[in-house]
Amino acid sequence: KNEVEQSPQNLTAQEGEFITINCSYSVGISALHWLQQHPGGGIVSLFMLSSGKKKHGRLIATINIQEKHSSLHITASHPRDSAVYICAVEGGGADGLTFGKGTHLIIQP
Amino acid sequence: KAGVTQTPRYLIKTRGQQVTLSCSPISGHRSVSWYQQTPGQGLQFLFEYFSETQRNKGNFPGRFSGRQFSNSRSEMNVSTLELGDSALYLCASSSLGTGVNEQFFGPGTRLTVL
Repeated sequence: KNEVEQSPQNLTAQEGEFITINCSYSVGISALHWLQQHPGGGIVSLFMLSSGKKKHGRLIATINIQEKHSSLHITASHPRDSAVYICAVEGGGADGLTFGKGTHLIIQP
Repeated sequence: KAGVTQTPRYLIKTRGQQVTLSCSPISGHRSVSWYQQTPGQGLQFLFEYFSETQRNKGNFPGRFSGRQFSNSRSEMNVSTLELGDSALYLCASSSLGTGVNEQFFGPGTRLTVL
């Protein structure tokens, strides 16, 4: 069974700061997802990656397969980035996605 | 293109009852996955359907079941409801299934069991 650990659990930062959220997993995977969940429950898929790095606007996701580690970066953070960010992995012997507990991010103006 | 829709959005049931939740995927998507989210356990995978066949199943009791229709719409059913079944139930669709394409999530159905 894959264990997915995210850090930090909670993060409060000032507008404009560079944000990093980390995700580690215990067993080799086929893909890793970064998800964003706003209050009210809606989930948006930010990235799906199996190697290297992806960038969408101010968001960057990287993955190191050998170290079983991924990071999500937010540049020039904004209060609208406040949300829960969830890492999820596929493969590693489990059916479906295995999720981390999430990182609760608050960006203060 | 319309997004993933789930009905109903909110539901209140009592212990012992059964409930059916519905999910309509994005047009053209053939895979529908279901997830349960609770404050204690976080997000957990329930099952995935692809072209009317259950392709993957999470670690949930047999009270949780699902099906997918020929138009890719999916339903999940929970029988003999327990207090612990109170949760946000999310479905997600993708065109070719997990591991190949990103998933698009619906708004969820919030189930309260009294």
